[in-house]
Amino acid sequence: QVVLTQSPSASASLGASVKLTCTLVNSSNAVAWHQQQPGKGPRYLMKVNSDGSHNKGDGIPDRFSGSTSGTEHYLTISSLQSEDEADYYCQTWGTGLTWVFGGGTKLSVL
Amino acid sequence: EVHLVQSGAEVKNPGDSLKISCQGSGYTFTNHWIGWVRQMPGKGLEWMGIIYPDDSDSRYSPSFQGLITISVDKSVSTAYLHWGSLKASDTAMYYCATRWMGRLYWGRGTLVTVFS
Repeated sequence: QVVLTQSPSASASLGASVKLTCTLVNSSNAVAWHQQQPGKGPRYLMKVNSDGSHNKGDGIPDRFSGSTSGTEHYLTISSLQSEDEADYYCQTWGTGLTWVFGGGTKLSVL
Repeated sequence: EVHLVQSGAEVKNPGDSLKISCQGSGYTFTNHWIGWVRQMPGKGLEWMGIIYPDDSDSRYSPSFQGLITISVDKSVSTAYLHWGSLKASDTAMYYCATRWMGRLYWGRGTLVTVFS
């Protein structure tokens, strides 16, 4: 069974950088990241392939980048802004075209 | 530009049936899987199921199999999520999403409230 695990929360200061982690088990598929600001729907940020290549969403700033190392997948946000305070979900594709979501990380910008 | 427009909020009673919709535009609707995702109040995203509009091939999460039906009307580029008998625990926001050019595009969501 494909499983994605995320830390429930993270925090970082305004203007700093933060690296969110998503651990993927039982799959080598690409992982996508989605942002959900308070009171809004999810927004696709990017997909990071196993070779490290990206497929970013429309209008996603360069401050957002993704990387991967083995089972670990990372979303790095640099120059943190107040509007980056949101829930961040990683997501992949399981067997039989299923979609799998991580539990989400709540990012606080201090 | 890909757009998914979802139907408006619904308030229902337990036992009611309900069908909510998701209309796609800006891309070839029939050639891309559309999925439905549930978000219960204060909780994370849960994948419910997916449908391929061209032939209505559908797949369901085991957690939702038998509880919902996903369908599509190609003539109006619209996917549907249907409940035959709602429960209070179906109260949630429901999002549709489609994968196009390797990216996932989301609808804005439909809030379903089932009063017990």
